[in-house]
Amino acid sequence: QSVLTQPPSVSGAPGQRVTISCTGSSSNIGAGSDVNWYQQLPGTAPKLLFYGDNYRPSGVPDRFSGSRSGSSASLAIAGLQAEDEATYYCQSYDSSPSGWVFGGGTKLTVL
Amino acid sequence: EVQLVQSGAEVKKPGESLKISCQGFGYRFANSWIGWVRQMPGKGLEWMGIIYPGDSDTKYSPSFQGQVTMSADKSITTAYLQWSGLRASDTAIYYCARVYSSGGARYFDLWGRGTPVTVSS
Repeated sequence: QSVLTQPPSVSGAPGQRVTISCTGSSSNIGAGSDVNWYQQLPGTAPKLLFYGDNYRPSGVPDRFSGSRSGSSASLAIAGLQAEDEATYYCQSYDSSPSGWVFGGGTKLTVL
Repeated sequence: EVQLVQSGAEVKKPGESLKISCQGFGYRFANSWIGWVRQMPGKGLEWMGIIYPGDSDTKYSPSFQGQVTMSADKSITTAYLQWSGLRASDTAIYYCARVYSSGGARYFDLWGRGTPVTVSS
C-alpha cells in the first residue's frame, strides 16, 4: 500500500488530454511538501518529469503540466503522443515517519 | 557527462551477501545526497534510503532499516548498497539517484540505469 494513491491506469487517444491524480495526506502533500513526477518508459530507469509542483526540467515538453490542491496533486498531459506511453509516479516527502514517499504508479496507454 | 553508473546484474543464492555500486561522474559527488530505490518485478518504486557521500550520513526508510546497509567512498565517487543475507524477496531492480535538495524541494534529478538482482536457489 503506497502512501500516495494513484489510479493504476489511464488511457487516451492521440491528441487528447489526460490527467493523473496523486492523493496524499496531511503529513505529506497536505503539509505543503513538494510533489514531483517521474516518467518510466518500459524497460528503462525513471526520469524526472516535473518538480516543485510546477517546474519542468529542460527538454520536457510543455504538454506536461502539474497542479495541486490540498492533499492532492495532478499531472496533466495534453496532446497525447504514442511516446508518452509509460508509467508515471508521483513523489513527495512525508513527515511521519519522515522520508520520501512514492505513489504506486499509473500506467498510461495511448490508444 | 553528468551520470550515475551502476554495477551490473547479479544472480545470487539465498543467504549470500552482495554489494552493488553506483559511481557518479561529472559533478561534485561528495556534495549531493544519493538515494536508493527498489523496484520489485512488475511493481512500483520504493524509497530505501539516502546517503551523503561527504560524511556518509545516512537516513533509512523504516521499511529497509536493518535490512540493507548504505555506504560511500567519496575518494572514488562511489556509493554502495549491501546485503549480508539475501532472500528471494530481495529480487528486484535497484536504482541509485542523485538528490536535489533546496528549501522544501526534494527530488531525484539524476538516475542510474539500475542494477537487477536475482536471488534464487
